[in-house]
Amino acid sequence: KAGVTQTPRYLIKTRGQQVTLSCSPISGHRSVSWYQQTPGQGLQFLFEYFSETQRNKGNFPGRFSGRQFSNSRSEMNVSTLELGDSALYLCASSLGALTGSNQPQHFGDGTRLSIL
Amino acid sequence: AQSVTQLGSHVSVSEGALVLLRCNYSSSVPPYLFWYVQYPNQGLQLLLKYTSAATLVKGINGFEAEFKKSETSFHLTKPSAHMSDAAEYFCAVSDGNTDKLIFGTGTRLQVFP
Repeated sequence: KAGVTQTPRYLIKTRGQQVTLSCSPISGHRSVSWYQQTPGQGLQFLFEYFSETQRNKGNFPGRFSGRQFSNSRSEMNVSTLELGDSALYLCASSLGALTGSNQPQHFGDGTRLSIL
Repeated sequence: AQSVTQLGSHVSVSEGALVLLRCNYSSSVPPYLFWYVQYPNQGLQLLLKYTSAATLVKGINGFEAEFKKSETSFHLTKPSAHMSDAAEYFCAVSDGNTDKLIFGTGTRLQVFP
């Protein structure tokens, strides 16, 4: 069974640009969550999607957005990039449930975004 | 609000020695607790999780953790360290209603021969 796939693995952008990151969950998983990992702030929750609906959102500015498609694949977008957006962005998927079931979350290897 | 505190950002042990990584939690509701491991240039791998079924939880790679409500702790242990255990370890908590995880700041484990 294939794991969580994140593309691309590495990305270099300049300030002011926008970027879209992609996440393909494990087959059958309906919940997808995104996290930002930086040396200074650690692992921070961005948002969670279940059945194409955002179920939870972290404390990030509106420049960070996401969506989920009918096949459970998810994308996150960051507009007007800032130097501080340089980070490893991790996606995690789980079976999920309407009210949350704490099924184990499986993480991808992340997309490392560098802003110049 | 929920939170976890990991005591010690770096822990060093000799190969074959006991591994003890500390995690304390704060939660207003019965928590779901997790330990994850991250190897360089990789994502997070679930070691074990506590969901109130049993206070002593056994995970992969010989790790286990004990939930102690009186101490609000969920420390991770392994009787005998192996060189391959060198990695960063994260404790996390959720409220059980969604998949949102609150992570600790991580503990980097070094294993010396």
